[in-house]
Amino acid sequence: ILNVEQSPQSLHVQEGDSTNFTCSFPSSNFYALHWYRWETAKSPEALFVMTLNGDEKKKGRISATLNTKEGYSYLYIKGSQPEDSATYLCAFWARSYNTDKLIFGTGTRLQVFP
Amino acid sequence: EPEVTQTPSHQVTQMGQEVILRCVPISNHLYFYWYRQILGQKVEFLVSFYNNEISEKSEIFDDQFSVERPDGSNFTLKIRSTKLEDSAMYFCASSELYAGETQYFGPGTRLTVL
Repeated sequence: ILNVEQSPQSLHVQEGDSTNFTCSFPSSNFYALHWYRWETAKSPEALFVMTLNGDEKKKGRISATLNTKEGYSYLYIKGSQPEDSATYLCAFWARSYNTDKLIFGTGTRLQVFP
Repeated sequence: EPEVTQTPSHQVTQMGQEVILRCVPISNHLYFYWYRQILGQKVEFLVSFYNNEISEKSEIFDDQFSVERPDGSNFTLKIRSTKLEDSAMYFCASSELYAGETQYFGPGTRLTVL
C-alpha cells in the first residue's frame, strides 16, 4: 500500500519564527512530489512540484527540498507570518504499471500567532 | 487569473438519491480529476479523465460513480444512489499537461447525505 505521512500534524508558532515540516513517501514508483497550501474555505493552492532527487525550490519565504532515494521532502517557512496559517499538504505522484495518481498525506496544520 | 470553479458549494441529499457535482476546469487544461475528503481523513483520489475517457480510477470509484464532460467546459461527477458514507468534500482539479504537472483545485462541494 502506498502511503504518505506528514509530520507534525499541527504546529503553533509565533510570528517571525522559522519552521519546517516533513513529508515521507515511498521511494518506489516515484514520479513527482507536490506541495499544496490550503486555507480554510479556499481551494488548495499549488506551491511546488518536484521531480528530481536533490531538487530545491523556493517561492518567497517558502522553500522545499526533495530526497527521492530515502523518500522524504521538507518544507521550510522562513519568518512565519499570520497569513501563512494554513494546512500544508504534500502529495506523491505514484506511477507504475497499475497505478497513476496523486496520493495525499494528512497535512500539517500551521497556525502563526501575531 | 483563471481558476477552477465548482457548484454547488454545499449539497444536501437523502440517502439513495442521485447527485451531480459540477466543475468548470481551467479552459486550456486537458486533464481533469476528482478527489474527496471525508471529514478528518486524507484527501483521496477518485478518478482522472483525459480525452473524453477515464485514465485511472481508484477502488472507491465503483459503479455508483460516473464522470462526464458533457460540453467543452463542464466536468461532472455523478453519484447514482448516495450512501451515508458518501458524505465528504469533493474537489475537482485540472492540469494543463500530464500527471506530475501542477494541478489546480476548485474550492470543493460539501456533500451531506442524510
